[in-house]
Amino acid sequence: EVQLVESAGVVVQPGGSLRLSCVVSGLSSNENTMHWVRQVAGKGLEWVSLISWNGATTYYSDSVEGRFTISRDNSKNSLFLQMNSLRTDDSGLYYCVKFPRTWGRGTLVSVSS
Amino acid sequence: DIRMTQSPSSLSASVGDRVTITCQATQNILNHLNWFQQKPGNAPKLLIYGASNLETGVPSRFSGSGSGTDFTFTISSLQPEDIATYYCQQYDDLRLSFGGGTKVEI
Repeated sequence: EVQLVESAGVVVQPGGSLRLSCVVSGLSSNENTMHWVRQVAGKGLEWVSLISWNGATTYYSDSVEGRFTISRDNSKNSLFLQMNSLRTDDSGLYYCVKFPRTWGRGTLVSVSS
Repeated sequence: DIRMTQSPSSLSASVGDRVTITCQATQNILNHLNWFQQKPGNAPKLLIYGASNLETGVPSRFSGSGSGTDFTFTISSLQPEDIATYYCQQYDDLRLSFGGGTKVEI
C-alpha cells in the first residue's frame, strides 16, 4: 500500500521557520515527481511546490517563491519543505502529494503570535 | 501561470438531480485536467483524469468532458454520499493550479 505520511503539525510565530517532512512508503520515491499542496481551513486547494525525482528541477508558487525550499532525500524516501519568513497567511493544512492519486493526510501549520 | 475558474462556487440539488460544474482555463491545456472530490476531514480523491477518463472504482454517474480551455464535470444522478467539494486541476503546466472549488449540498 502506498502511503505518504507528513510530520506532525506545529505552531510557529510570524517570521519564523519550519521544516515539514513527508515519508514515502510503498512506492519508489526516487522515480516520482513530488509536490506540496496546502489548504487554508474552509478554503480551496493551493499548489505550493514540486521537485523532480532527482531534485534537479524545482518549482514554486508565486506566494512562496523565495521563502520556501523543497528538497528530497531518496535514500530515506523522504520529501521536505523548508519554510522561512512565515506569515499568518501561510497557515493551513499541508499535503504531500504524488499527483494525481496519492495524497498524505496532511499536516497542520499554524502561524500565529 | 494558468488560472482555473470554476463555477458555481456552491450549489444545492436534490437526490437524483443532474449536477453540472464548469471549469475554464486561462489558456489551452489540451485535456490535461483532473477532477477531485474532497469530503470534510479527508484528502482530495481523484475522480476524473485526462478530462474525461473515469478513475478505477469511481461510480459511472460521474463524468467529465471538454478540452482546450472549457471543461465540464457532471454527476448524472446525485446521491447523498456525493455531498462534497469538487475541484478541477490542470497539469498542462508543471506549476499546477486548482479551480476554486464547488461545494455540493443537498
